[in-house]
Amino acid sequence: SAVISQKPSRDICQRGTSLTIQCQVDSQVTMMFWYRQQPGQSLTLIATANQGSEATYESGFVIDKFPISRPNLTFSTLTVSNLSPEDSSIYLCSVLLGLVWNEQFFGPGTRLTVL
Amino acid sequence: AQSVAQPEDQVNVAEGNPLTVKCTYSVSGNPYLFWYVQYPNRGLQFLLKYITGDNLVKGSYGFEAEFNKSQTSFHLKKPSALVSDSALYFCAVRTTDSWGKFQFGAGTQVVVTP
Repeated sequence: SAVISQKPSRDICQRGTSLTIQCQVDSQVTMMFWYRQQPGQSLTLIATANQGSEATYESGFVIDKFPISRPNLTFSTLTVSNLSPEDSSIYLCSVLLGLVWNEQFFGPGTRLTVL
Repeated sequence: AQSVAQPEDQVNVAEGNPLTVKCTYSVSGNPYLFWYVQYPNRGLQFLLKYITGDNLVKGSYGFEAEFNKSQTSFHLKKPSALVSDSALYFCAVRTTDSWGKFQFGAGTQVVVTP
């Protein structure tokens, strides 16, 4: 298994500002993911973040709005830029472990509220 | 493309009664199927998975799920529900060629009453 921590656990931000979320894993992992969970909804994949390469974004998500860094095999950041109330969500990072990458472990999430 | 459907937004069950949370999937290849649980203000916790082999898989906290290929279903079950099982449950699927991309269902809120 993997122990994943996220900072901050929650934040309240003003419209137009940005928030950077950190994800730390207790072991080296190749594949990390960032998800968004809007209120009362399921998880939506934002992007895949692999070390040493640019993040791969899913349809509807762009790098200018959600820049991602992956400087090493245990750490990643997601920035949510130019915040609007529609960005109020829980943001979760996850990692894949196990044979043929079959086990996905999630961080505790960052609850963002935009005023 | 892959997709997952959880037809029930909420399931209500009395403590001690059997619990079933439904999940159906659609994939173009062989499916890998997962169940996760989310407690309030917590991240997702892994419950169980089906990769291959026995269609009945057992997981954490007394949960089990049955893979039914003909019905493309992977329903989660627990013989005797506990109040502490009240949480949000997500079914997820990926295929062998989707390289880790999981598709999550909409989630089912389980409410277990004493």
